[in-house]
Amino acid sequence: EVQLVESGGGLVQPGRSMKLSCAASGFTFSNYGMAWVRQAPTKGLEWVATISYDGSSTYYRDSVKGRFTISRDNAKSTLYLQMNSLRSEDTATYYCTQLGNYWGQGVMVTVSS
Amino acid sequence: DVVLTQSPATLSVTPGERISLSCRASESVDTYLHWYQQKPNESPRLLIKYASQSISGIPSRFSGSGSGTDFTLSINGVELEDLSIYYCQQGNSLPYTFGAGTKLELK
Repeated sequence: EVQLVESGGGLVQPGRSMKLSCAASGFTFSNYGMAWVRQAPTKGLEWVATISYDGSSTYYRDSVKGRFTISRDNAKSTLYLQMNSLRSEDTATYYCTQLGNYWGQGVMVTVSS
Repeated sequence: DVVLTQSPATLSVTPGERISLSCRASESVDTYLHWYQQKPNESPRLLIKYASQSISGIPSRFSGSGSGTDFTLSINGVELEDLSIYYCQQGNSLPYTFGAGTKLELK
């Protein structure tokens, strides 16, 4: 059974940093591209960042470019999202996804003073 | 960025009826168009991939069609458990984008 389990969310002040993790199991993690998708409270889905199966290629939406970094550790079957210079508009539930095929349960990030 | 326009925003349904949801792209996405269902406080679930390909474990009443810029998700015989929000998403060009969603509610 495929499982994606996010962790690392919570309350953080504007301008500070936070790192999300996503532990994957039930499939060969190193064979698949991965992504982070977020959903602000009562809003729709928004693609945040994508990483290729081997980590050699990454892509970010404009609003997080230069602030967020997606990475992966294939030996640990874990996906990461390092978020720096956080803003109130980054407040959302962040989902780890195997490019849409499977999704984690989501982790809430609240940026507020 | 490719803009996906979903219509209607809300659809009131009666159990048992056949319904169709629309997703229109601002430029061609070929068949790189996927549909998701999201129930309250749950993660999205993939329903249909590449416009019309079925997904294992998804009830056969869900089907998809279209290519290019116009796509349709159909539910043949809506059930109460289908009352959710439905999103389309294009995977043809980065940044991948989602539509704003169609909410299915009980009439």
